[in-house]
Amino acid sequence: ETGVTQTPRHLVMGMTNKKSLKCEQHLGHNAMYWYKQSAKKPLELMFVYNFKEQTENNSVPSRFSPECPNSSHLFLHLHTLQPEDSALYLCASSQGELEAGELFFGEGSRLTVL
Amino acid sequence: GQNIDQPTEMTATEGAIVQINCTYQTSGFNGLFWYQQHAGEAPTFLSYNVLDGLEEKGRFSSFLSRSKGYSYLLLKELQMKDSASYLCAAMDSNYQLIWGAGTKLIIKP
Repeated sequence: ETGVTQTPRHLVMGMTNKKSLKCEQHLGHNAMYWYKQSAKKPLELMFVYNFKEQTENNSVPSRFSPECPNSSHLFLHLHTLQPEDSALYLCASSQGELEAGELFFGEGSRLTVL
Repeated sequence: GQNIDQPTEMTATEGAIVQINCTYQTSGFNGLFWYQQHAGEAPTFLSYNVLDGLEEKGRFSSFLSRSKGYSYLLLKELQMKDSASYLCAAMDSNYQLIWGAGTKLIIKP
């Protein structure tokens, strides 16, 4: 139990579907992150939110749309995805953006795009 | 460019010692981090080095040489539960983490 909860753990969707991934942290942290993890590749940072404000968007395609309504919740809205978007999507939090090295990760949402 | 290199896979024997190496090239440097990730689970933070030298934490130690752009994670008295992937990450001058692809460690009885 890391204090970061992600749902759903597994998701299968077609290329025309719309779905959302949810992340909640119970650690009182101020920064939240979305990462993409593909087999045998380094973690790819997608988005960073600090005090609910987006501070980083690493050239992520617009078919991924993040939302951070408050410091404890983070969503990743998905639409018209491609098969190459199949991966493990990890949410993480840290005390603040300057403490981005000590991350607390959720267990991830395993996404399969058909 | 910024880059992290670490071996893809290593095998070791239960009870033995293993050293996982990591070399990094970053624009500026604000620390070196190691994470452990068991299959199907979240990565968990193991260690942080920002000054040269060895940091010991129980059976795990992490070493940093800033002049060489080099770190290693040393695991002693290996246990079967240490079978996992170990991720090395360096923080650049913008406080961005640059990640390696991870080293899968297989422990054999």
